[in-house]
Amino acid sequence: DAKTTQPTSMDCAEGRAANLPCNHSTISGNEYVYWYRQIHSQGPQYIIHGLKNNETNEMASLIITEDRKSSTLILPHATLRDTAVYYCIVRVWNSGGGADGLTFGKGTHLIIQP
Amino acid sequence: DTGVSQNPRHKITKRGQNVTFRCDPISEHNRLYWYRQTLGQGPEFLTYFQNEAQLEKSRLLSDRFSAERPKGSFSTLEIQRTEQGDSAMYLCASSLVSGTSTDTQYFGPGTRLTVL
Repeated sequence: DAKTTQPTSMDCAEGRAANLPCNHSTISGNEYVYWYRQIHSQGPQYIIHGLKNNETNEMASLIITEDRKSSTLILPHATLRDTAVYYCIVRVWNSGGGADGLTFGKGTHLIIQP
Repeated sequence: DTGVSQNPRHKITKRGQNVTFRCDPISEHNRLYWYRQTLGQGPEFLTYFQNEAQLEKSRLLSDRFSAERPKGSFSTLEIQRTEQGDSAMYLCASSLVSGTSTDTQYFGPGTRLTVL
């Protein structure tokens, strides 16, 4: 799986949009971009994933650049409960089935300020 | 609650003892994964099952670690002769692999192991 690079930490004011960047310059054509977050002492929580099109769900939006070498996770109206470590992960998937587990880096510690 | 459940949530043991953790996946999920997470690090993949078959176990940290999923539903992770370095959070995740899905994994709350 391709390696990802994320900032170690970020701050965002409550009520503003939080934009978390991720670089994955070696991503290959059959690798998806996944985002998870982990609130202190809890298991990781799935947020969103995508291949090449932008995606949106009730939690967030995922913007993937046209060359797929980077992406941004957007939390549109951050709240204090969004304070967590956010992980960007790329993972191979094809119709024959993916293999192995997710490869987590150290993620971005997002702190929402009141 | 239909999420992934793990028991116990906390386990304290003495060095040299054996411990076993249980994971109950989301109903009808056919894949089950185990991860370990140490302080300040992201989760580290250990092993996974598709139904009852263990498809990857080379990532298990040593031969003291073993996992089973005998009936393709719940799974157990056992650590024999525990060492202080085994102290960590042990996480379980499950997913549904089918013709149209992309194996999105959903995690349980974890079991925190402390080895004294």
